[in-house]
Amino acid sequence: NAGVMQNPRHLVRRRGQEARLRCSPMKGHSHVYWYRQLPEEGLKFMVYLQKENIIDESGMPKERFSAEFPKEGPSILRIQQVVRGDSAAYFCASSPISPLGIGKDTDNEQFFGPGTRLTVL
Amino acid sequence: GENVEQHPSTLSVQEGDSAVIKCTYSDSASNYFPWYKQELGKRPQLIIDIRSNVGEKKDQRIAVTLNKTAKHFSLHITETQPEDSAVYFCASAYTNAGKSTFGDGTTLTVKP
Repeated sequence: NAGVMQNPRHLVRRRGQEARLRCSPMKGHSHVYWYRQLPEEGLKFMVYLQKENIIDESGMPKERFSAEFPKEGPSILRIQQVVRGDSAAYFCASSPISPLGIGKDTDNEQFFGPGTRLTVL
Repeated sequence: GENVEQHPSTLSVQEGDSAVIKCTYSDSASNYFPWYKQELGKRPQLIIDIRSNVGEKKDQRIAVTLNKTAKHFSLHITETQPEDSAVYFCASAYTNAGKSTFGDGTTLTVKP
């Protein structure tokens, strides 16, 4: 049972270029979360997606950043016109959280991918 | 939104001693509290979690306690070993909302 997969593991971009980060959740997981981790800092929530829906994007900058999780294929975090301050590790996590079910003890355990380390030159 | 504070930011102990890391949260609706261990250059890995209907949970040398009234929870590691050295993150979540809010991390160093 493969875990959460992310690619590429390392990405180097020049200022102004676009960065595309991919995340394939664990089998059976339909909920994906993206976090950013600056060097020697904690994990900051960016966006939470379900298939074809953005549930919560409150942590994602309004400009240059976008995320999607299509019906088929991986989730993609896209950063346009990258700047040096975008250099960070970007982690994706997936969870088996149940649909918002009444009476269910939903499980929010999140499984993290290995991360993509983005370096902007 | 939710705010999670974690203390201390660094912790150094001798091998065999205990280590305690504390976190507080602000949103009384939060009901799920995981702890993650992150080694240098690697992904965060869940080591233990606790839900709001439980006050304490133990797994071998690791235990977590939760005080919902005071809105704080703690990680306890007993008989520490050098391989416990890592950054530890607490988090809080409201399970139906999905996202977790993380503390800023504690760098634990266990000296042999």
